[in-house]
Amino acid sequence: QVQLQESGPGLVKPSQTLSLTCTVSGDSVSSGDYYWTWIRQSPVRGLEWIGYVYSNGHSYTTSSLRGRVSLSVDTSKNQFSLKLTSVTAADTAVYFCARDPVRGQLVGSFDYWGQGILVTVSS
Amino acid sequence: DIQMTQSPSSLSASVGDRVTITCQASRDISNSLNWFQQKPGTAPKLLIHDSSSLETGVPSRFSGSGSGTDFAFTISSLQPEDVATYYCQQYDILPPRFGPGTKVDLK
Repeated sequence: QVQLQESGPGLVKPSQTLSLTCTVSGDSVSSGDYYWTWIRQSPVRGLEWIGYVYSNGHSYTTSSLRGRVSLSVDTSKNQFSLKLTSVTAADTAVYFCARDPVRGQLVGSFDYWGQGILVTVSS
Repeated sequence: DIQMTQSPSSLSASVGDRVTITCQASRDISNSLNWFQQKPGTAPKLLIHDSSSLETGVPSRFSGSGSGTDFAFTISSLQPEDVATYYCQQYDILPPRFGPGTKVDLK
């Protein structure tokens, strides 16, 4: 049974870096069959796709966050991670990690999700 | 980026009612559309992919249709456990984009 679990601080100060990790069980982040994905949700922005990282470390980030986001994968720990720099209150959201099966050129069929972690940006 | 709209934004219906939600994409996305169900405090759950293909284990009272820019999601007979917010999401072109959601509750 595939499970994903987000972890990290629930409170981050403005201008600092938000760092989250997703631990995967029941599957391997080394598998070439999936994009390992981050999505966030807030009342203002709704559900927003952040980006994905692939097993070889290749990543793709949505243009609105490019330059602030770093995505990585740690195959030895079966984890993948998100770093978001220079955070503001607008980055307050529930952050989800998810699995996205590779389907040719198509990106975005999220079949397994973590439970989500609320990250608040506040001093 | 492709923009997604949904209507209505919320609805109330009785148990056993047929419920339909519509979703519109700002450009042709073929059939590259998912439908998700989200209950409070939980992650979205994928119900339908490729506009009309039911995920394994999803009850057959849920269905989807459409292609191009106009799509529909139907619950043929609303059940109490279907109270949730429903989202459409396109994956034809990066970035994947979700609709704003439709909240369904019981009358």
